[in-house]
Amino acid sequence: QVQLAESGGDVVQPGRSLRLSCAASAFTFTSYPMHWVRQAPGKGLEWVAVISDDGRDKHYADSVKGRFTISRDNSRNTLYLQMDSLRVEDTAVYYCARDVDKAAAIYYFDYWGQGTLVTVSS
Amino acid sequence: EIVMTQSPATLSVSPGEGATLSCRASQSVRSKLAWYQQKPGQAPRLLIYGASTRATGIPARFSGSGSGAEFTLTISSLQSEDFAVYYCQQYNNWPSITFGQGTRLEIK
Repeated sequence: QVQLAESGGDVVQPGRSLRLSCAASAFTFTSYPMHWVRQAPGKGLEWVAVISDDGRDKHYADSVKGRFTISRDNSRNTLYLQMDSLRVEDTAVYYCARDVDKAAAIYYFDYWGQGTLVTVSS
Repeated sequence: EIVMTQSPATLSVSPGEGATLSCRASQSVRSKLAWYQQKPGQAPRLLIYGASTRATGIPARFSGSGSGAEFTLTISSLQSEDFAVYYCQQYNNWPSITFGQGTRLEIK
């Protein structure tokens, strides 16, 4: 049973930083591109970032480019999202999600974690 | 950015009846279209990909159709567990993938 478990969500002030983690299990983590997708309270879904299976290739939504950094530790089966210069509009539930395809990202998602809530407020 | 527009925003249907949800793209996404179901407090679940292919374990009462810029998700004979929010997502214009704003399917 594929499992993705996010952690690290918290209440932070604007301008501060936060790092999210996503622990993966029951599949070959090193074979899959991984994504972060967020959902503001009561709103729709917004793709945030993707990282290739080997961690070399990364892409970001324009809304977070230059502020967020996606990374992974394949030895620990863990995905990360470093969020700097946080803004009020970054408030959301952050989901990690597995790409459907091995090796090359296809950009839709077959498994999702349960999400972790990030609240940015003064 | 490709804008995905879903209609209606809310659909009220009685159990046992069918439902048709629409998704329109601001430009062609070919067949690179996925549908997800999301229930309150839960993560989205993949239903359909490639516009018409059901994901693993998805019941046959869910079907997708369309290509280019017009897509439809049809749910025949609604069950109580089908009442949820449904999102479409284009993945043709990666990495700038986008979701629709969602259609809430509620019990009439």
